This record gives sequence, C-alpha cells and structure tokens, in this order.
Amino acid sequence: DAGVTQSPTHLIKTRGQQVTLRCSPKSGHDTVSWYQQALGQGPQFIFQYYEEEERQRGNFPDRFSGHQFPNYSSELNVNALLLGDSALYLCASSSWDRGYGYTFGSGTRLTVV
Amino acid sequence: SQELEQSPQSLIVQEGKNLTINCTSSKTLYGLYWYKQKYGEGLIFLMMLQKGGEEKSHEKITAKLDEKKQQSSLHITASQPSHAGIYLCGADFNDYKLSFGAGTTVTVRA
Repeated sequence: DAGVTQSPTHLIKTRGQQVTLRCSPKSGHDTVSWYQQALGQGPQFIFQYYEEEERQRGNFPDRFSGHQFPNYSSELNVNALLLGDSALYLCASSSWDRGYGYTFGSGTRLTVV
Repeated sequence: SQELEQSPQSLIVQEGKNLTINCTSSKTLYGLYWYKQKYGEGLIFLMMLQKGGEEKSHEKITAKLDEKKQQSSLHITASQPSHAGIYLCGADFNDYKLSFGAGTTVTVRA
C-alpha cells in the first residue's frame, strides 16, 4: 500500500519564477493538506483540499495556490518566488474526518536563488 | 506554533539512557500527534492520542496525554542510535489541520 508520494524531491528555482509541486495521497484518503517547513522550525499549515475545493487556509499570501484533482491528488503552486520561500514542502493526506490521522510524504526541498 | 510549546529544544542522551520530551498546548486538544523526522526528510508517524489519560506504546516509545494539563509527553526507554532525530508534536484543535511545535532534536551518544 503506497503512502503519500511527492514530486519532485528537490528543486532549485530563481527569484520571480513559478513552481508546481505534486502530491498523491495514501490509498483510501480523500483530503490533502500542504505544509511549509523552514529550517529549524515546525511545519506551518498552508491549505487543505477536500472534494476539489480549498477547505481552509493558513496565513500564506495569495502567491500560494493549489488544486485537487478528481483522483484526490493535489498540486501546490507558488508564483513570484522569493528567497524566503526556500523550505521543505510537505504534503499530508487524511480521510475527510481525519479518523485515522495524517500521513505525510517525504517532502519537496525547494531552494530559491 | 505559539499555541504549542515543546521542551526541551534539544537534548543529548547517552545510549541506553531514558529521555522524555514534553508538549504543552495553550488550547483544548482534540488530538495530539507525535512524529519523528530525520533532517530534511518527511515526517514519520509515531502515535496519535485522542482521549485524556490515553497512553500508547510502540517498541521502546511511550506517549501519554494529560487532558487536565493539556500536555503530552513522549518517553523513550533505553535509547539507541536509531532514536536520534527531530521529534515533533502536532495538535489537532478540532479545526481539521495540525499545528506543530518547533521540534526537539535528540542526539544519542555512544
């Protein structure tokens, strides 16, 4: 049973560019959440998708947007990249009622230069 | 998250010794999750606690939830090098997301 799959593993972008990160949830999960983890800090909630809609959002600017597809997979898009966007981006999947908790992927390391 | 305080920030333990990490919430907990993270990698699920007074164990790791204090502790018995890493507690405040502490870095010395 595959867990949460994220791609790519690592990414280097230039300031001002745009990036798309991808996530496939664990089998049986229908909800996807995205987190940003800066070096030395705990993960910060970006947003959550359920039934192809953004269910809730953390304190992140509109440059961060997402999408969920009918097969429950999800994308995180970041526009106009800033140096401060360099971080580990984590995807977590769960059932709609998180009855069995949250499963995290291995993350995408984004470096903005 | 300032709603969740983890302590200590880091600790060094001799192999074979026990260690305890604490996680204190300023809000009512609906659930409390413990994860382990190797540097720069994803989060590995350890345990989920949902009821006051609940205690769970897996191998040499035990986690407890004190509903009265809104606090959880993670205890590792007879630590091994494989226990080294960053331990994160994540709180579910019944808002369908996790709020994390800053993490505790554990170093196990041979």
